[in-house]
Amino acid sequence: GDSVTQMEGPVTLSEEAFLTINCTYTATGYPSLFWYVQYPGEGLQLLLKATKADDKGSNKGFEATYRKETTSFHLEKGSVQVSDSAVYFCALIMKTSYDKVIFGPGTSLSVIP
Amino acid sequence: EAGVVQSPRYKIIEKKQPVAFWCNPISGHNTLYWYLQNLGQGPELLIRYENEEAVDDSQLPKDRFSAERLKGVDSTLKIQPAELGDSAVYLCASSRDSGAYNEQFFGPGTRLTVL
Repeated sequence: GDSVTQMEGPVTLSEEAFLTINCTYTATGYPSLFWYVQYPGEGLQLLLKATKADDKGSNKGFEATYRKETTSFHLEKGSVQVSDSAVYFCALIMKTSYDKVIFGPGTSLSVIP
Repeated sequence: EAGVVQSPRYKIIEKKQPVAFWCNPISGHNTLYWYLQNLGQGPELLIRYENEEAVDDSQLPKDRFSAERLKGVDSTLKIQPAELGDSAVYLCASSRDSGAYNEQFFGPGTRLTVL
């Protein structure tokens, strides 16, 4: 079935370091891809999305590019801040079932000053 | 606008006891979801409502779990009786509509601990 795999955490970085969180997916068709973020004590929030191959989603300095050839959607940020400390979830939605979001296991990020 | 509200935020019960979670979606959102999030994992859908109708409850363990969404607004998820393995975070989410992708807005969740 459809699934999402993420790099295991926790990831600890110093402030202003470069961030990459790897995400790959398995799907029978061509899904839409998403990154959600969950800050401590809060609900999940949509961070960015891409709906077709080669699309780049971006928000708050984060970017991810939909790579069909490698079935990947890696999350990157050039300079992380302490406020970016959170859990990041990669997710997909198949276009035939728009409401069913399939989430990866999440990657915890801690940014230290 | 106010976000998705859930209560309680934390609940500790002994096994075999009943427990209920409440969710108030964002005003005007017709679609409501309950998700289960185990520690270290992503959320998994339990049930989806379109207004007051449960349109996808295939992942809901119906022997002990039940849900309702009276009047198509607030929703309650119940477990009776609770088991040790039910310890998890229960998330509620809502979206404006379905049929095409509408962003799902999540509440903070209820963390359940079963002793």
